Amino acid sequence: GEDVEQSLFLSVREGDSSVINCTYTDSSSTYLYWYKQEPGAGLQLLTYIFSNMDMKQDQRLTVLLNKKDKHLSLRIADTQTGDSAIYFCAETIPRGYQKVTFGTGTKLQVIP
Amino acid sequence: NAGVTQTPKFQVLKTGQSMTLQCAQDMNHEYMSWYRQDPGMGLRLIHYSVGAGITDQGEVPNGYNVSRSTTEDFPLRLLSAAPSQTSVYFCASSYSGTGGDEQYFGPGTRLTVT
Repeated sequence: GEDVEQSLFLSVREGDSSVINCTYTDSSSTYLYWYKQEPGAGLQLLTYIFSNMDMKQDQRLTVLLNKKDKHLSLRIADTQTGDSAIYFCAETIPRGYQKVTFGTGTKLQVIP
Repeated sequence: NAGVTQTPKFQVLKTGQSMTLQCAQDMNHEYMSWYRQDPGMGLRLIHYSVGAGITDQGEVPNGYNVSRSTTEDFPLRLLSAAPSQTSVYFCASSYSGTGGDEQYFGPGTRLTVT
């Protein structure tokens, strides 16, 4: 079945790098996403990667995809207090429509 | 552009009551969807629409109805509220709903059913 798993919590010091991990089960995923949710707000797309790519870099964000192990990670360089939020991994699976399955979210706490 | 707007922000219902959660977008997006967010469960798709007049069920459609009479609006109706429907509801829209298409989320409606 389709399942996307993340660890629930990550704590880092300001200025360090954060690495948020995600595993998924469906090998037919076409796109994989990272969304950010700040308190009391909806989700905001941070970045996405197509399934035939290994890596994507966007300023402080680096996404790594290991398709063999079905593992996705998001690295945030020089983590700031404004990065404190819940981060959701999601995958798109073609099922007639483009079904998006979200992970449970990882709460990132940045300690000043 | 206002983006995706949702009303109300908060709502308390008694078991058995009905209500409609409103969602509107001003980006001329064809694809709209409703999710519910529960602790430890991520977001789950309730219903979606690929254009005016076309709706379909997602993962957890029971107890909810939708309609799409215009491109802009996609209301979600709770027919007879139950405590299990206590959740945060998000509406989202995207240009076409295809992979790689960014979904824009509304701010959410926090619903409590007593």
